[in-house]
Amino acid sequence: DAGVTQSPTHLIKTRGQQVTLRCSPISGHKSVSWYQQVLGQGPQFIFQYYEKEERGRGNFPDRFSARQFPNYSSELNVNALLLGDSALYLCASIPMGLAERYGYTFGSGTRLTVV
Amino acid sequence: AQSVTQLDSQVPVFEEAPVELRCNYSSSVSVYLFWYVQYPNQGLQLLLKYLSGSTLVKGINGFEAEFNKSQTSFHLRKPSVHISDTAEYFCAVRAPNEKLTFGTGTRLTIIP
Repeated sequence: DAGVTQSPTHLIKTRGQQVTLRCSPISGHKSVSWYQQVLGQGPQFIFQYYEKEERGRGNFPDRFSARQFPNYSSELNVNALLLGDSALYLCASIPMGLAERYGYTFGSGTRLTVV
Repeated sequence: AQSVTQLDSQVPVFEEAPVELRCNYSSSVSVYLFWYVQYPNQGLQLLLKYLSGSTLVKGINGFEAEFNKSQTSFHLRKPSVHISDTAEYFCAVRAPNEKLTFGTGTRLTIIP
């Protein structure tokens, strides 16, 4: 089985630009979460989606948005990029129901650098 | 609300020596507890988890952790570390129907 796939792996953008990050969860997982990990810090929760609906949102500005598609893949969009948005963006694939307690499986992340 | 505190930001340890990475959590309800490892330039890999039952849980790569409800702790241990254990270790907590919340991480450095 394929794991969690994130693309691209690395990205360099200029301040003010917009970026789209992509995630494909493990087959059979219907929920994804997005996390931002700034260098030297722990991952911070951005969004969770389940069955194409937003299930939770962290303390991030409206410049951050996401969506989930019928095949359960997801996109994270960030508008009007700031230098402080430079981070590793992690996608987690989540089994729902009783299996949810077994934890999240993370992708390798997208390293975003804003210059 | 739930939170996680990792008391040590950096832990240097000699190769083949034992190590303990400390984690304390706060929550008003019962939680699930996890340890993740992150190697340089990689994502997060699950080391072990505590869901219920036995308070001593064993994970991959020879790591184990002990859940202590009275002290609200979930410390990670390994009896003998190797150079390959050099990484960042994150403790995480999740209450049912809540998001996964991470600590700030502990950087484990193995000294040859």
